[in-house]
Amino acid sequence: NAGVTQTPKFQVLKTGQSMTLQCAQDMNHEYMSWYRQDPGMGLRLIHYSVGAGITDQGEVPNGYNVSRSTTEDFPLRLLSAAPSQTSVYFCASSRSDSSYNEQFFGPGTRLTVL
Amino acid sequence: SQQGEEDPQALSIQEGENATMNCSYKTSINNLQWYRQNSGRGLVHLILIRSNEREKHSGRLRVTLDTSKKSSSLLITASRAADTASYFCATRGIYGGATNKLIFGTGTLLAVQP
Repeated sequence: NAGVTQTPKFQVLKTGQSMTLQCAQDMNHEYMSWYRQDPGMGLRLIHYSVGAGITDQGEVPNGYNVSRSTTEDFPLRLLSAAPSQTSVYFCASSRSDSSYNEQFFGPGTRLTVL
Repeated sequence: SQQGEEDPQALSIQEGENATMNCSYKTSINNLQWYRQNSGRGLVHLILIRSNEREKHSGRLRVTLDTSKKSSSLLITASRAADTASYFCATRGIYGGATNKLIFGTGTLLAVQP
């Protein structure tokens, strides 16, 4: 199994540009989520999904959209990038949203918005 | 807002020594999890301790939980250079399901000198 994969690994955008961060998992996990990691802030939840067709907002959802059309894929869209969205983005999945499930993380996408 | 706060923020020890990291949190929890993050990589789940457990072991890892003090500690015994990483605690609240999210602390950066 490849686990959780993310593309691209690095991306530089100009303010106002749009892009999609890709995330895929091959473990048939129901629960998927997106986090951003900023220095001194830990990880903050952006959006999450408990299954195909179901998404919800996390702690910091503004400026981001998600969709979940399949179990495997959970893309994160930046509609109009801002410098405040410069961060490292991690996608994670778990078997379900049970409280006792561990989360499996992808390798991350480092995004810079100029 | 972060639920967990790790202490210390950074720790440097010699190979073979023990490393202890602490995590404090604010609200009642269902469980507390520890994750490791190597530089430039995603997070890896280490161990989960439930709210009704006081101590748990996994290999060279020992986790304690004191719900009365809302704190947890992670002890790594006989440290190795490969243990050099950031360590994060993450908490799940007492209510399960889709409305309950894993909240991460700000992390402890551990450096193990060979």
